[in-house]
This record gives sequence, C-alpha cells and structure tokens, in this order.
Amino acid sequence: DAKTTQPPSMDCAEGRAANLPCNHSTISGNEYVYWYRQIHSQGPQYIIHGLKNNETNEMASLIITEDRKSSTLILPHATLRDTAVYYCIVEYGGATNKLIFGTGTLLAVQP
Amino acid sequence: NAGVTQTPKFQVLKTGQSMTLQCAQDMNHEYMSWYRQDPGMGLRLIHYSVGAGITDQGEVPNGYNVSRSTTEDFPLRLLSAAPSQTSVYFCASSYSRVASIDEQYFGPGTRLTVT
Repeated sequence: DAKTTQPPSMDCAEGRAANLPCNHSTISGNEYVYWYRQIHSQGPQYIIHGLKNNETNEMASLIITEDRKSSTLILPHATLRDTAVYYCIVEYGGATNKLIFGTGTLLAVQP
Repeated sequence: NAGVTQTPKFQVLKTGQSMTLQCAQDMNHEYMSWYRQDPGMGLRLIHYSVGAGITDQGEVPNGYNVSRSTTEDFPLRLLSAAPSQTSVYFCASSYSRVASIDEQYFGPGTRLTVT
C-alpha cells in the first residue's frame, strides 16, 4: 500500500507557483520522499527526492517539514506543460529501487 | 542515447494467446523493472532485475515471466493472456539498484488490450 496521502486534484494559474502537498505521517528515519510526474499517459518522469533537508533542482523545490510527516513540492512558475499527475512516494533509501506509486495529484495549470 | 525503448506501442491479443513485450535501454543501467498501469490507477510493479541473470517478483507477478540475459534487454512475457491483463505496461531502468542514489527512467509504454 502507498505510504502517502495526496489531494486528488489541484488547479494553478499559469505563471504562478504550484504547491503540491503530501502527507506521510508514518515515514521512518531512513525513508526518502520521491516525486515523479506523469504527463498524459507518458511514462513517469523523475522530479526530485530528499531525506530531511530541503532540496532544489532545475525543475522544482522540495520542502520537508522538520518532523518529516509531510512535504510540499513547489513548481516556482507553472506552465501549461506542467499539467500532469504528480506522485509523492516514500521508500527506504537503501532498498532496491521498487517505488510504489499511489494515485497522485492531478495538477491542472490554467491559462 | 535512445534511453528506454519499448515495442510494440500498441497490441491487441485474444484470450489465451501469449506474447513478449520488449524493453531495451542503452544507458548501461544495472536495474530494470516492469510496471503496469490500469485506468485511473497508479503504477504497480510486476517484476524487476538488479542485473543480468537476476530477476525478482514485484507486487503483481502472476501471469508474467521475465528474464535478463543481457544488461540492455528485459523482455516481459505474457504466458496466456487474460482480459484482466488489459493495461498500459511501462518499463523503467536506473543506473543503481539503490533507490536513493539514482532516478528511474521510464519508457513510453505499451498499450495492451486482451479481448
């Protein structure tokens, strides 16, 4: 079973920041938070992952709360091409790469 | 690099037929896996491989076989197709078997319909 809870859908205006929440209240100390997205039936695409520190790359920022029970993926300037299903995944970092995908959040970026 | 390639893109089978879905990667990745995605659902892991000659079962392995004779290729075989296997199949690969070290790269998918 997925270890995360995400809202089923969200809207965001083009050019604004998109903040996608994820709850993972049962996360353990050695589990990472991963984010992937899937654009309309394509294969999922990796976005970012982190353990406890905030992370940033060219696509997004990942903010993890101090107690690690929740996190937020931030797309700083959403475009129409960011419309996709976003998956938040929690998995043991040392484990074989067996990610368990839930149903994710459908982010609709509006013009 | 072509990345992860999958063939065919679409396939229609009759119940009881067998077939092989092909997956190849040209990135010298150690780890490869197969997922299926049913309508409105997330991806579920079928089988995975941590290197040539080594495979293991995921969440939903029944009705599927895999083998990994080379680093590049990881075919998925449907032994006797059933309507419940109608789905989109994704192959993925990563450089490392360890989740925290490397991202997974996904192929474009094979859309399979079993009638």
